[in-house]
Amino acid sequence: EAGVTQSPRYAVLQEGQAVSFWCDPISGHDTLYWYQQPRDQGPQLLVYFRDEAVIDNSQLPSDRFSAVRPKGTNSTLKIQSAKQGDTATYLCASSPTGGNTEVFFGKGTRLTVV
Amino acid sequence: AQSVTQPDARVTVSEGASLQLRCKYSYFGTPYLFWYVQYPRQGLQLLLKYYPGDPVVQGVNGFEAEFSKSNSSFHLRKASVHWSDWAVYFCAVSMNTGGLSGKLTFGEGTQVTVIS
Repeated sequence: EAGVTQSPRYAVLQEGQAVSFWCDPISGHDTLYWYQQPRDQGPQLLVYFRDEAVIDNSQLPSDRFSAVRPKGTNSTLKIQSAKQGDTATYLCASSPTGGNTEVFFGKGTRLTVV
Repeated sequence: AQSVTQPDARVTVSEGASLQLRCKYSYFGTPYLFWYVQYPRQGLQLLLKYYPGDPVVQGVNGFEAEFSKSNSSFHLRKASVHWSDWAVYFCAVSMNTGGLSGKLTFGEGTQVTVIS
């Protein structure tokens, strides 16, 4: 079974540039999560979806970050006008609906903003 | 709001020695607790999970953890460390309302270094 796939694996930007991250969850998983993991810190939830609907985006910096999952499968996280403080690894995860379910993480996209 | 504290940022252990990683949580209600491991340039992998029941849970690769409600703790243990256990370990807590168990709150992580 294929795991959660993310691309690109690495990105280096100058401040002010835009970048998009792509995530392909495990087939059949209807819940998808985006986490931000700054260096030497634990992951922090940014947004999550059930199917195509955003369930919670309260931690997403809405002025520059956006996330979509138009068909309830793949998802894209976009940063407009990146800042040095956005330097982090962005992790995508997925899980099936239901209690006591495991969450599966992708390998992440490591973003460096210079 | 729920939170997790891992008081040890770094732990160095000799190969073959025992390991304990500490985790304290803050949560109003019945917590669901997890330990994840992150190897270099890899995603997070689940070691073990606690759902209400037996306080001692067994995980992969010889890891186990013990839940204590009175101490608000969920410490991870391994009897004999292998060099391949060199990684960062994260403790996490979640609510499990409506099956949304992926909404996790993580601790800061503990870097484990194994020496020979």
